Amino acid sequence: AQSVSQHNHHVILSEAASLELGCNYSYGGTVNLFWYVQYPGQHLQLLLKYFSGDPLVKGIKGFEAEFIKSKFSFNLRKPSVQWSDTAEYFCAVNKIGSNYQLIWGAGTKLIIKP
Amino acid sequence: GAGVSQSPRYKVAKRGQDVALRCDPISGHVSLFWYQQALGQGPEFLTYFQNEAQLDKSGLPSDRFFAERPEGSVSTLKIQRTQQEDSAVYLCASSLGYRGDEQFFGPGTRLTVL
Repeated sequence: AQSVSQHNHHVILSEAASLELGCNYSYGGTVNLFWYVQYPGQHLQLLLKYFSGDPLVKGIKGFEAEFIKSKFSFNLRKPSVQWSDTAEYFCAVNKIGSNYQLIWGAGTKLIIKP
Repeated sequence: GAGVSQSPRYKVAKRGQDVALRCDPISGHVSLFWYQQALGQGPEFLTYFQNEAQLDKSGLPSDRFFAERPEGSVSTLKIQRTQQEDSAVYLCASSLGYRGDEQFFGPGTRLTVL
């Protein structure tokens, strides 16, 4: 069965630190890749997505992610985090040619200390 | 409305009761998904509609779960004879097309079964 793994369930950083959240998936076919974010008290919203083309994608709020096909990875990065980045981050995958249901990682809770 | 809305936001049910959860997708969105999110986990797919057609219900955990979207817009997820293990957040998402477009999420309905 397809699965998505997020390596860290909780991450605590200080403001201005660099961030990298890992995501690996186990499906061998063509996929679309997503990072969603859920700020406290808010609903899930799209941070960035990869469909095709340049494997380095840029999203909102200074986030970026790199698709490395050979490693089945789609890690999320931000060079300098802010207190307002405190949220839960989810990696998700859907299969090309399926009904495009999203398969989700378990999420990473990120806490930024001011 | 501007986004996906869900009602009620919170529902407490006694074991054995039936519940109905409503989703209003973004107007004009063809695809509609229901996901179940247990505490501390990522969402899991339940069912998918393309307009009024339920094309995939492979994620519904039992025959107590039933979903419909009779006119291709509003959708209802019904759970009969609720059990404690049904306690979760139920998320609805819609997307414009049917080819892996970004999914827009509602705030979810938190169901607690006592």
